[in-house]
Amino acid sequence: DGGITQSPKYLFRKEGQNVTLSCEQNLNHDAMYWYRQDPGQGLRLIYYSQIVNDFQKGDIAEGYSVSREKKESFPLTVTSAQKNPTAFYLCASSDRGRSSYNEQFFGPGTRLTVL
Amino acid sequence: DAKTTQPNSMESNEEEPVHLPCNHSTISGTDYIHWYRQLPSQGPEYVIHGLTSNVNNRMASLAIAEDRKSSTLILHRATLRDAAVYYCILRSIGGSNYKLTFGKGTLLTVNP
Repeated sequence: DGGITQSPKYLFRKEGQNVTLSCEQNLNHDAMYWYRQDPGQGLRLIYYSQIVNDFQKGDIAEGYSVSREKKESFPLTVTSAQKNPTAFYLCASSDRGRSSYNEQFFGPGTRLTVL
Repeated sequence: DAKTTQPNSMESNEEEPVHLPCNHSTISGTDYIHWYRQLPSQGPEYVIHGLTSNVNNRMASLAIAEDRKSSTLILHRATLRDAAVYYCILRSIGGSNYKLTFGKGTLLTVNP
C-alpha cells in the first residue's frame, strides 16, 4: 500500500535534548512538508522540500532542522533551541507539478511531549 | 496569502445534509478553493477543490458563489464518521504553489 509513515506515534524527551522525527513516503512524490499543530489550532508549516537535496523554511522554522538526502525520506530534528517543542507533528507529501490539484497526503503524525 | 473565515463549530444530525460555509472576500483570480478535513488524532485528508464552477465527488460537493467571495462544502448525508475539523484553504497556482495555509477550521459534530 502506498502512503506516508511517521514514527514513533508518541515520543517523550527531556528538555534540552534534540530529537529526530521520521517521515517516509512510497508515493514517489517530489515534495514533502512538515507541519506543527498545537491544541485547538490549525497546522503551521515548519519546512518544505520540493526536490532532493533542497528545502525551504516555512512559517515557523526556528529551532528545527531538516534534511532531504533521499526522495522518500524527510526527517525533522527538533533542537533544544525550540522554545515550546511539545506539539503534534505532521508530515505530508505531494506531486510537484503546477496544477490545481497537488493534493497533499498526510501521515498519521507524531505527538511529541517534552518533559 | 488571502484569508478565509469559517465558523468555529457546527452541529448536525446523522443522515441529514450539512452545509459548511467559508468566506474569502479577498480571493484572487488565481486562487483555488481547497477543503481538507482532519479526523480526531489523525492527519488531514483532502476533500475537494474548485475554482469557479460547482464540483462534486464521492465525498462531498463544493458550491462556489458567483463572485467567488464565499463557498460552501456540502455533505449530503452526514455520518458519525464525518465528525472532524473542516479546513477551507485558498491555494494559488503561482507563487508559493506548494503551501497550504491552515486556519482553525470548523469543528463539525454529528449527533446520532
